[in-house]
Amino acid sequence: DAKTTQPPSMDCAEGRAANLPCNHSTISGNEYVYWYRQIHSQGPQYIIHGLKNNETNEMASLIITEDRKSSTLILPHATLRDTAVYYCIVRASWISSNTGKLIFGQGTTLQVKP
Amino acid sequence: GAGVSQSPSNKVTEKGKDVELRCDPISGHTALYWYRQSLGQGLEFLIYFQGNSAPDKSGLPSDRFSAERTGGSVSTLTIQRTQQEDSAVYLCASSLASRGVATEAFFGQGTRLTVV
Repeated sequence: DAKTTQPPSMDCAEGRAANLPCNHSTISGNEYVYWYRQIHSQGPQYIIHGLKNNETNEMASLIITEDRKSSTLILPHATLRDTAVYYCIVRASWISSNTGKLIFGQGTTLQVKP
Repeated sequence: GAGVSQSPSNKVTEKGKDVELRCDPISGHTALYWYRQSLGQGLEFLIYFQGNSAPDKSGLPSDRFSAERTGGSVSTLTIQRTQQEDSAVYLCASSLASRGVATEAFFGQGTRLTVV
């Protein structure tokens, strides 16, 4: 079962920041938070991941609370092409034969509107 | 190629037939994953290969489903005696394990299987 909870859907105005929340209250010390998105009819696309510090890349920013029980993905200037299902996943940092697999929940459907 | 390649991109088969779906991971990636996505649904984990370790088969829905990974590279997902409920997009992903540390997974575009 997925170890994260996300709202099923959100709307965002084009050009505004999209803030997507994720709860992962049972996260353990060696687990990262990963974000992926899936645009309609495409395979999932990696966005960003982090352990405990905030992270930023060319696509998004990831803000992780100090207790690591929740996080927020920020798309600073959403465009219509950002309309997608966004998945928040927790995953062990050390992979072996029985860890490291990615378990997807239902995600958040983000609709960016003109 | 630069990315994960899956073939065929589309497959239509008759109920009761066996099908094989192929995944070519990114060169050098030691981890390989198979997922299934039914219409309008989320991604359902099927199986996970990591290096030479025994695969994690905990997501396979029945014994009609099997997968193998030859030579640590190409993987084949086999569905025997296909049923209509097997109709879905089957997605493959691969990732690199650097000294055992997980890295991001890259997904293929999937194989759309339709059982008629």
